[in-house]
Amino acid sequence: DAGITQSPRHKVTETGTPVTLRCHQTENHRYMYWYRQDPGHGLRLIHYSYGVKDTDKGEVSDGYSVSRSKTEDFLLTLESATSSQTSVYFCAIRITGTGNTEAFFGQGTRLTVV
Amino acid sequence: AQSVTQLGSHVSVSEGALVLLRCNYSSSVPPYLFWYVQYPNQGLQLLLKYTTGATLVKGINGFEAEFKKSETSFHLTKPSAHMSDAAEYFCAVSAPRGNEKLTFGTGTRLTIIP
Repeated sequence: DAGITQSPRHKVTETGTPVTLRCHQTENHRYMYWYRQDPGHGLRLIHYSYGVKDTDKGEVSDGYSVSRSKTEDFLLTLESATSSQTSVYFCAIRITGTGNTEAFFGQGTRLTVV
Repeated sequence: AQSVTQLGSHVSVSEGALVLLRCNYSSSVPPYLFWYVQYPNQGLQLLLKYTTGATLVKGINGFEAEFKKSETSFHLTKPSAHMSDAAEYFCAVSAPRGNEKLTFGTGTRLTIIP
């Protein structure tokens, strides 16, 4: 499972509050990604990282920020949560190397904004 | 930029029948293509991938897919459906570098009729 742990697994928060989701990996992979999954939309990329302190925006980055101060941790912050950010959030790592190109996913975090 | 289109958000097949899930891609460069499966309340699991070489790729659980450049397709098939195949299936594409982000389709929910 590539040693990916997401925390928390479930969270209910109020509109307007900041929320931070954590993705932790144990194998020092360089590339990490945050996706959100919504019915009818599949998985959409929020932000990704290609190294410590190196991050970039995905297609649905508004209202989100990320940080990566250590190889093993990739944090996703909702600066001021809104109901439209109610979703399931998945972290992924991309394994790269000869013959290896696939992404491995965490178990997801179900976030409800009320 | 890359994109994928999955035709049919819901597909139902009888147990023992052929499974065919459709995926068409758009890419300005030769793509890497993937199929992932998601069981309820779980993360995504890689079924199979195409990078280079043989265009017919075999994956886990008896699934296979064929890369057809002329048709820009990467359809997923299984000769005989099993009840345990009921899940959501996602096609994904990336540019042929390991660090590139995966772009997902909107998913196809497969139902198996006893």
